[in-house]
Amino acid sequence: AQTVTQSQPEMSVQEAETVTLSCTYDTSENNYYLFWYKQPPSRQMILVIRQEAYKQQNATENRFSVNFQKAAKSFSLKISDSQLGDTAMYFCAPLSAGNMLTFGGGTRLMVKP
Amino acid sequence: EPEVTQTPSHQVTQMGQEVILRCVPISNHLYFYWYRQILGQKVEFLVSFYNNEISEKSEIFDDQFSVERPDGSNFTLKIRSTKLEDSAMYFCASSLTKGRLNTEAFFGQGTRLTVV
Repeated sequence: AQTVTQSQPEMSVQEAETVTLSCTYDTSENNYYLFWYKQPPSRQMILVIRQEAYKQQNATENRFSVNFQKAAKSFSLKISDSQLGDTAMYFCAPLSAGNMLTFGGGTRLMVKP
Repeated sequence: EPEVTQTPSHQVTQMGQEVILRCVPISNHLYFYWYRQILGQKVEFLVSFYNNEISEKSEIFDDQFSVERPDGSNFTLKIRSTKLEDSAMYFCASSLTKGRLNTEAFFGQGTRLTVV
């Protein structure tokens, strides 16, 4: 079974600043996918970004980018130019071969004006 | 933009009663999932469903739970005899494929189940 650790239960950042959320995971698989999901107060799970483990290039999606270190099993999320609407819980979630997402405990991010 | 829709948004039920949570996945998606999130805890996988049968299930998904795709559009989760500890947010999700491309899961807005 996969385990996912998000070591920062809560973080805050000033609007327009950059913040990095960390995630480490454990897997025995070689080819897999990793996702970051955002859960705003409405509690809907929204896909932020995905990374394919066989790709060395880090994924980027507008203000969101990842730092994927496969050997270290680390998958951090960087949010640039933080906006108030980024305030949410953020979950790191690797996808297993069985197509199951394993979620970390989440990081609650507060963007301050 | 296509989305996964879940009904109801909030369901209150008495302990021991049966509940059915409903989901309409994105229309061309082939894989369907249920996850749950007990308040303040992690999101947990319950079950995946493909080609009208269960693909994977977690140890949480015991005999009290069942899933069904009754009419080609709806995807339901039934809890036969609810317990207090079933109180949680239940998320339905769907994905186009399994494996390489288009494997990301799109989630519904969730159904909050409260067992009293």
